[in-house]
Amino acid sequence: DTGVSQNPRHKITKRGQNVTFRCDPISEHNRLYWYRQTLGQGPEFLTYFQNEAQLEKSRLLSDRFSAERPKGSFSTLEIQRTEQGDSAMYLCASSFPSFHQETQYFGPGTRLLVL
Amino acid sequence: QKEVEQDPGPLSVPEGAIVSLNCTYSNSAFQYFMWYRQYSRKGPELLMYTYSSGNKEDGRFTAQVDKSSKYISLFIRDSQPSDSATYLCAGGGDSSYKLIFGSGTRLLVRP
Repeated sequence: DTGVSQNPRHKITKRGQNVTFRCDPISEHNRLYWYRQTLGQGPEFLTYFQNEAQLEKSRLLSDRFSAERPKGSFSTLEIQRTEQGDSAMYLCASSFPSFHQETQYFGPGTRLLVL
Repeated sequence: QKEVEQDPGPLSVPEGAIVSLNCTYSNSAFQYFMWYRQYSRKGPELLMYTYSSGNKEDGRFTAQVDKSSKYISLFIRDSQPSDSATYLCAGGGDSSYKLIFGSGTRLLVRP
């Protein structure tokens, strides 16, 4: 399977714990995006990388959130001191830039439940 | 006001019907528009990509963009029960590569 993969697929944690999610993009894609989706809403942008550089962060990304893409391949999203409001589906997407074509392909998501 | 608005539905149609799904947007700087299909508890699946105004057809799906009225449409011909899902529209390409999504329209195709 050459699509975007995410691990774990599900995570249950207690409030105050730290969690880390991993995203492996499609191999030749140099842009990688993180989105968050809550029930009944569309995905909301969190941050994106071009290669290893983090080029944009949403105001939604509080100080408790950090994302990395150290070698320009896979990426991790860490949430420190989780809160119940962090419960959501965390989606990763990747794209390969070309003129007039910026199609983002999504992974299956990591569903986080904070108790 | 959200940048991209969609009627949440649900929209219920009989099998074989033509389905029309619509979005409006407020950001004049959007250059490209996408439709994604999302099954329950799954990631969004790209259906259609349209750059600027115009129509694009792919099999049973047709996407239309009218930038003058800031209106985006997706038509599904010969709808099937397997088309039952949430359909998300998104715009992008202002000063960033991020996509701005609507909240999605739930579609139910009855056998």
